[in-house]
Amino acid sequence: QQQVKQSPQSLIVQKGGISIINCAYENTAFDYFPWYQQFPGKGPALLIAIRPDVSEKKEGRFTISFNKSAKQFSLHIMDSQPGDSATYFCAASGTSGSRLTFGEGTQLTVNP
Amino acid sequence: DAGVIQSPRHEVTEMGQEVTLRCKPISGHNSLFWYRQTMMRGLELLIYFNNNVPIDDSGMPEDRFSAKMPNASFSTLKIQPSEPRDSAVYFCASRLAGGPKDTQYFGPGTRLTVL
Repeated sequence: QQQVKQSPQSLIVQKGGISIINCAYENTAFDYFPWYQQFPGKGPALLIAIRPDVSEKKEGRFTISFNKSAKQFSLHIMDSQPGDSATYFCAASGTSGSRLTFGEGTQLTVNP
Repeated sequence: DAGVIQSPRHEVTEMGQEVTLRCKPISGHNSLFWYRQTMMRGLELLIYFNNNVPIDDSGMPEDRFSAKMPNASFSTLKIQPSEPRDSAVYFCASRLAGGPKDTQYFGPGTRLTVL
């Protein structure tokens, strides 16, 4: 019940395209869903996060869509750029930022 | 703000040796987390502290691993004796619970190689 399933494992997108990464969870007690971005040789960094009281959150080119009934959430990167090439992790926790359960990660490559 | 500081950044050691990884959380943060990242297992939480007290160490692989947080500004993760399967990147993260930016901030990691 603590797992967060993430797909795809890897994704290749052309510059200007839309990147979509999906996550699903089982634990209905989760109430905080962040996405982290990790560049090679660096630690993960918070990109954007959502709580289940809203179905969508947008920050610049990054949007989280949240479907509470399906227990799924996704990250959309609009107008993808080569600089977005990184590994993306979804995560979930029961209380704000405490004890995050991470997805397996998606390696995104944006070709110029 | 210097961010989370970890040392060393790289560690190469031989099987059986003791390894100590160090972490300095962001000043004022009251929660600290140790993670391990490998290709096979992804990002795993090993242990976390609230106000210097260990809250959940269920992710610690075995008795060879131990973690301490003697004060609010310092934590260590020790592996004794180390084994090749311990090779991974170890991250420390800190958080200010209930703060305006209540999220985990990760350090740059320590890449451990056990030969």
